[in-house]
This record gives sequence, C-alpha cells and structure tokens, in this order.
Amino acid sequence: DAGVTQSPTHLIKTRGQQVTLRCSPKSGHDTVSWYQQALGQGPQFIFQYYEEEERQRGNFPDRFSGHQFPNYSSELNVNALLLGDSALYLCASSLFLPGSSYNEQFFGPGTRLTVL
Amino acid sequence: AQSVTQLDSHVSVSEGTPVLLRCNYSSSYSPSLFWYVQHPNKGLQLLLKYTSAATLVKGINGFEAEFKKSETSFHLTKPSAHMSDAAEYFCVVTDYSSASKIIFGSGTRLSIRP
Repeated sequence: DAGVTQSPTHLIKTRGQQVTLRCSPKSGHDTVSWYQQALGQGPQFIFQYYEEEERQRGNFPDRFSGHQFPNYSSELNVNALLLGDSALYLCASSLFLPGSSYNEQFFGPGTRLTVL
Repeated sequence: AQSVTQLDSHVSVSEGTPVLLRCNYSSSYSPSLFWYVQHPNKGLQLLLKYTSAATLVKGINGFEAEFKKSETSFHLTKPSAHMSDAAEYFCVVTDYSSASKIIFGSGTRLSIRP
C-alpha cells in the first residue's frame, strides 16, 4: 500500500513563473491538505481539499490555488513566484470521519521548490 | 486561536541520557495535541497523540508525553536517547475549525552526542 506520494521531488523556478505540484493521497483517503515549510520553520497550513472543493484556507494569498480530482489526487499551483516562495511543500492526506475531533494526517516527503 | 510554542529551538544530549523537548499550547477549548518527527529528506511521522483520553501518552520508539492542563504543557520525553533520534521534532495542535487542520510549532532540533 503506497503512502502519500508527491512529484516532483525538487524544482527550480525563476521569479514570476508559475509552478504546479502534485500529490497522490494514501489509499482510502479522501482529504488532502497542503503545507508550506520554509527553512528552519514549522509547516504552515495553505489549504485543504475535500470532495473536490477547497474547505479550509490558511493565510496565503490568492497566488496559491489548488485542485482536487475525482480520484482524490490534488495539485497545488503557485502563480507569479516570489523569492519568498522557496520552501518545502508538503502534502498530507486523511480520511474524513464525521464527528471526529481529529482525522490523522499522513504526510508525503514533500517537494523542494527553489525560486531564483 | 490555537497555537503551540516550542521552548527550545535546539536540544543536544548525550547518547543514553534522557531527552526532554518542551511544548506549551494555547487553546480556548480542549485540544488534541501531537508530536511529529521529521528526519532529513523524509516525511513527517506521527510520534504520538493526545485526544482527551489518558494524559500520559506513549508513542513509538520509546517516546512519551504528558498532557498537563494546569500548565498548558505537552512535553515530550524519552528515558534514553539513541543516535537515531537525531531529527527535528514538532509539537502540533488541532485547529477547532477543522478536524483535518493542524497547527505546527516552530520545531526543536534534537542532536545526539556520542
């Protein structure tokens, strides 16, 4: 059973460009969350997708957008890249359990984005 | 709003000695709390979780944590450090708005001296 997978593992872009990162959730999971981890910091919540809709969003600008497909996989898109967008981008999947106070998150290895 | 504060950015201990990584939380309700570990070039792994059951929680690899409501703390401990424990550790709290949204602390880097 494959865990959470992300692609690519590394990416180098220049300022102003656009980037798309991809995530496949753990088998059986239906919810995908994205996090940004800057160097030396803890991951920061970007947004979460469930049933192909954005359900929750953190404090990130509209340049960050996403999508969830019918097979539950997800993409994170970042437009007009800035130097400050350089970070490790983590995807986490979980199974939505109604009434639960916590749905355990399983993390992928991340995509390292470098903006020059 | 919920938040966690990890009191030490870096902790260094000798192999075989106890480990203590400190975490304080802030929440207006009864939170769920977790510790995650991140080894270099590997994904985040859940060490243990507190979800309002027993206040002393045992996790993987000999780690445990105690939820102390009066002190708003959730410190991570291990009786005897191993070289393989060297990693970044994150204290995490759930966000009240979503069971799938979690808030990370800034992390504590644990170094183990031979």
